[in-house]
Amino acid sequence: KAGVTQTPRYLIKTRGQQVTLSCSPISGHRSVSWYQQTPGQGLQFLFEYFSETQRNKGNFPGRFSGRQFSNSRSEMNVSTLELGDSALYLCASSLVGGQTSFGYTFGSGTRLTVV
Amino acid sequence: TQLLEQSPQFLSIQEGENLTVYCNSSSVFSSLQWYRQEPGEGPVLLVTVVTGGEVKKLKRLTFQFGDARKDSSLHITAAQPGDTGLYLCAGFQRGNEKLTFGTGTRLTIIP
Repeated sequence: KAGVTQTPRYLIKTRGQQVTLSCSPISGHRSVSWYQQTPGQGLQFLFEYFSETQRNKGNFPGRFSGRQFSNSRSEMNVSTLELGDSALYLCASSLVGGQTSFGYTFGSGTRLTVV
Repeated sequence: TQLLEQSPQFLSIQEGENLTVYCNSSSVFSSLQWYRQEPGEGPVLLVTVVTGGEVKKLKRLTFQFGDARKDSSLHITAAQPGDTGLYLCAGFQRGNEKLTFGTGTRLTIIP
């Protein structure tokens, strides 16, 4: 079966712009989680969506937002980009998410560079 | 404060040697997962442990969950260049549905 697909793979944006990243989970998976990975902070949890509802949220400013569609595809949006937003953004898919998932399948990520 | 601390942060050893990576916390986890991540890719799940004292083996990799469910270790025997990568532990705490990742161990196996 197809894995988790994230688009685009690479993105270069200017400070102050906004960006939208997309994630298509494994077919049948209803939970999508987003993570930011940087060399200094490691993997930080952004938010989780389950059946189109945000079920959990990390400690990121309101500039970071997301949504999930009825087909479980998810998008995350970052507005008013800052240099510190440069990172690898990873999407993780699981059947139900949370503690009952016993494991997540990650996409290859979107490498965002803010200049 | 990082909830899950991994050690060592970096490890470079010769092919054929054995190694152990540690994942420690002062908090109790209801389950713990180990992932390996290669450059330019997302983490890949290796194993999930849920019971205190549990030991799981995956070929040359042995994973152990501490009795108190606060720590875990990953032991690799006869390391091979294909084992090179970033190893991440990640855990769930009861009542918290967020998967928290450790600080990571970057492993390099020299042929």
